[in-house]
Amino acid sequence: EVYLVESGGGSAQPGRSLRLSCVVSGFAFEDYAMHWVRQAPGKGLEWVSGIDWSGSSIGYADSVKGRFSVSRDNAKNSLYLQMNSLRPEDTAFYYCVKGFSSMWKEAGFDPWGQGSLVTVSA
Amino acid sequence: QSVLTQPPSASGTPGQRVTVSCSGSISNIGSNIVNWYQQLPGTAPKLLINSSSQRPSGVPDRFSGSKSGTSASLAISGLQSEDEADYYCASWDDSLSGYVFGTGTKVTVL
Repeated sequence: EVYLVESGGGSAQPGRSLRLSCVVSGFAFEDYAMHWVRQAPGKGLEWVSGIDWSGSSIGYADSVKGRFSVSRDNAKNSLYLQMNSLRPEDTAFYYCVKGFSSMWKEAGFDPWGQGSLVTVSA
Repeated sequence: QSVLTQPPSASGTPGQRVTVSCSGSISNIGSNIVNWYQQLPGTAPKLLINSSSQRPSGVPDRFSGSKSGTSASLAISGLQSEDEADYYCASWDDSLSGYVFGTGTKVTVL
């Protein structure tokens, strides 16, 4: 069975940083693209970032470009999201999601982790 | 701000057929596949339909998807109480070079 477990969420003041981690098991992590998708409490879904199997091709939503950085460590079956210059509008549940294939631009997210809540407030 | 538009709500009685629409543009639905996700209350989203009309293993055949032009639809036939959830469409957007989700539709079983 596939598992994706996020950690690292919590509270931060505006302008500060947080780093999310996602450890996966149950599939060949090094063969698949990975994504981060977020959901503000009571709101809809927003794609944040995608990274291909090797980490050489990466994409970001305009809302986080220049502030967030995604990376992966295939040896540790782990995905990361470094979030800098946090804003109150970044408050959300952040989901780690497996892509359909090795390339992040090939559509689809399945399955999803349980989510990690990030709260940005003074 | 979502670029795919869905109705905020839809409802039906058990056994009825309910449809959820997803309206986009040539840069997203008009040029790319659509996936649908189901989010049960208090849980993470789950893939329901991929490649516009394909059901992943384990998804009941009462769920079906279709796409025409710049719009897509999700149909739930034989509505059941456990289908009460939020439903989101999603597609790649060529203009934004990123993925876009629909605004979400809450399906209520009366």
